[in-house]
Amino acid sequence: KNEVEQSPQNLTAQEGEFITINCSYSVGISALHWLQQHPGGGIVSLFMLSSGKKKHGRLIATINIQEKHSSLHITASHPRDSAVYICAVGETSGSRLTFGEGTQLTVNP
Amino acid sequence: EAGVVQSPRYKIIEKKQPVAFWCNPISGHNTLYWYRQNLGQGPELLIRYENEEAVDDSQLPKDRFSAERLKGVDSTLKIQPAELGDSAVYLCASSPIGQGSYEQYFGPGTRLTVT
Repeated sequence: KNEVEQSPQNLTAQEGEFITINCSYSVGISALHWLQQHPGGGIVSLFMLSSGKKKHGRLIATINIQEKHSSLHITASHPRDSAVYICAVGETSGSRLTFGEGTQLTVNP
Repeated sequence: EAGVVQSPRYKIIEKKQPVAFWCNPISGHNTLYWYRQNLGQGPELLIRYENEEAVDDSQLPKDRFSAERLKGVDSTLKIQPAELGDSAVYLCASSPIGQGSYEQYFGPGTRLTVT
């Protein structure tokens, strides 16, 4: 069992829809990261959070430490949101990040 | 401020040939990471440097992979000889401090194809 699991693996939505991507983890963490990766490989950090909720534009990230679960929400989705979204956790016991396998999001016009 | 710079962006080589990737981290970032990302998977750490010291290289295949970070700034990752299974995207990232609660800044990656 992977230490970080994301669902769904693939998600197709119509423009304007509300999107949720989930991340569950099994280790103690110091922080959880949501990352975005566009075709071509570049990875951009969207959020880093250790409790509660953060919002940036149309993106919202939440985390429940007790349940070891985080969600990334995209409101009013747009085709330019099409990318791979990756959840990663920084473990309390070490210095490395452990990554999920990513969720491929496709938003159709 | 310039981001993490990597070169080349793409590389195609035949198996058994050597290949090298270069990374220049964000100025002032002491921690540098090399990751390998296979298609459809998340990045996997190969090696982490704190300044010029490799502090986590447990997942680096040392029989064919080597890395260096002389002077604690830019870094080179080498594969010799390359195998078909080495085809992947090689990502470099840097961070001010090497802890999981600090943001990592990623370069654009080098897409390696071994034929």
